[in-house]
Amino acid sequence: QKEVEQDPGPLSVPEGAIVSLNCTYSNSAFQYFMWYRQYSRKGPELLMYTYSSGNKEDGRFTAQVDKSSKYISLFIRDSQPSDSATYLCATGSNTGTASKLTFGTGTRLQVTL
Amino acid sequence: DAGVTQSPTHLIKTRGQQVTLRCSPKSGHDTVSWYQQALGQGPQFIFQYYEEEERQRGNFPDRFSGHQFPNYSSELNVNALLLGDSALYLCASTQGSYNEQFFGPGTRLTVL
Repeated sequence: QKEVEQDPGPLSVPEGAIVSLNCTYSNSAFQYFMWYRQYSRKGPELLMYTYSSGNKEDGRFTAQVDKSSKYISLFIRDSQPSDSATYLCATGSNTGTASKLTFGTGTRLQVTL
Repeated sequence: DAGVTQSPTHLIKTRGQQVTLRCSPKSGHDTVSWYQQALGQGPQFIFQYYEEEERQRGNFPDRFSGHQFPNYSSELNVNALLLGDSALYLCASTQGSYNEQFFGPGTRLTVL
């Protein structure tokens, strides 16, 4: 069993839709969570970082963490064709130093006109 | 402010050869991590360098080695290349104990 599970998709939605992307994790030591966006053949771009249960909002993006269920989500409101990319969830442990990140496989999102 | 840079962009090698990939961290960052991303997969942690020493290592064989220079730039070396080493190699940087890691564009390695 992978430490971080993520549905690979692809997920296709019409422009303007609300998108929900999800990951589950198994290791209780994971304490902080990130979402990255990766365009084809590019490096991952950090979208959201959070370390506590609850919601964090940044523009059209909302990250949600439920540590009791080991479940993390990213919501994208008013989705645009430019949001078409692979979305990676990542997590790490607080070790006093910058920890290694453990990633999900990524969900490929296609926003259609 | 320059972000993380990596070179070369693409590389083609044959089995058994050796390769060196390079990374310059984001300005002000002193910690560099390397990841391997196979097609259709998430990045896998290889190792991390801080103060010119390997601080953490993932589940990769000794064929994978690295180095960090006094200016915080880093190299990833892979010896005795296998077909399975074909992947996108990503470098990420951060400052000290901060958790957010910022990635470069990657080097795409193809082993024939």
